Amino acid sequence: AQKITQTQPGMFVQEKEAVTLDCTYDTSDQSYGLFWYKQPSSGEMIFLIYQGSYDEQNATEGRYSLNFQKARKSANLVISASQLGDSAMYFCAMREGDNDYKLSFGAGTTVTVRA
Amino acid sequence: DSGVTQTPKHLITATGQRVTLRCSPRSGDLSVYWYQQSLDQGLQFLIQYYNGEERAKGNILERFSAQQFPDLHSELNLSSLELGDSALYFCASSVGSGIDTQYFGPGTRLTVL
Repeated sequence: AQKITQTQPGMFVQEKEAVTLDCTYDTSDQSYGLFWYKQPSSGEMIFLIYQGSYDEQNATEGRYSLNFQKARKSANLVISASQLGDSAMYFCAMREGDNDYKLSFGAGTTVTVRA
Repeated sequence: DSGVTQTPKHLITATGQRVTLRCSPRSGDLSVYWYQQSLDQGLQFLIQYYNGEERAKGNILERFSAQQFPDLHSELNLSSLELGDSALYFCASSVGSGIDTQYFGPGTRLTVL
């Protein structure tokens, strides 16, 4: 079974608008971490934001925020005030448990920001 | 720039050959992770080393092996290469071995002809 599901293969957003990227996860562990990474066309993977399963507040990093809904097992990324440089592939990832260190990635969502 | 370096950036080789990919983690990071990104399988975890010791293994083929050296750099060795091994190989590093964020290098793009 897929541990991370990203249902939106591609999205278009107008410059300066906000966009929400969906991510749902599947785990039976109580302790886990959720990550979002950005992969521009140049190929590198850039860490954006992290949410721990025990964190009560939603994580925020600049224009990035994570809408964490634990009961629904969702961890949506919100990018506010989109910029042309935000055009990229975005991956949601999860690390499960306290002894498993690998990241499981979703299939990714391509975001294209229009001027 | 994440601080993780990978060489070479691109590698083109033929089927049946052997290649070595190199990774230097961020200063102070003890863990190194290898991931493979391909069109058909997405991003897959291969293997993790922590302070020189293998800590976790994922979907790594027997033809592939890795090690982490005393200076903490790591090498991923791919042998008997097949066309399907063409992919982007990432190295990531983290401070410890648990909940720390993994920072990725720029990747090595391997093309097997």
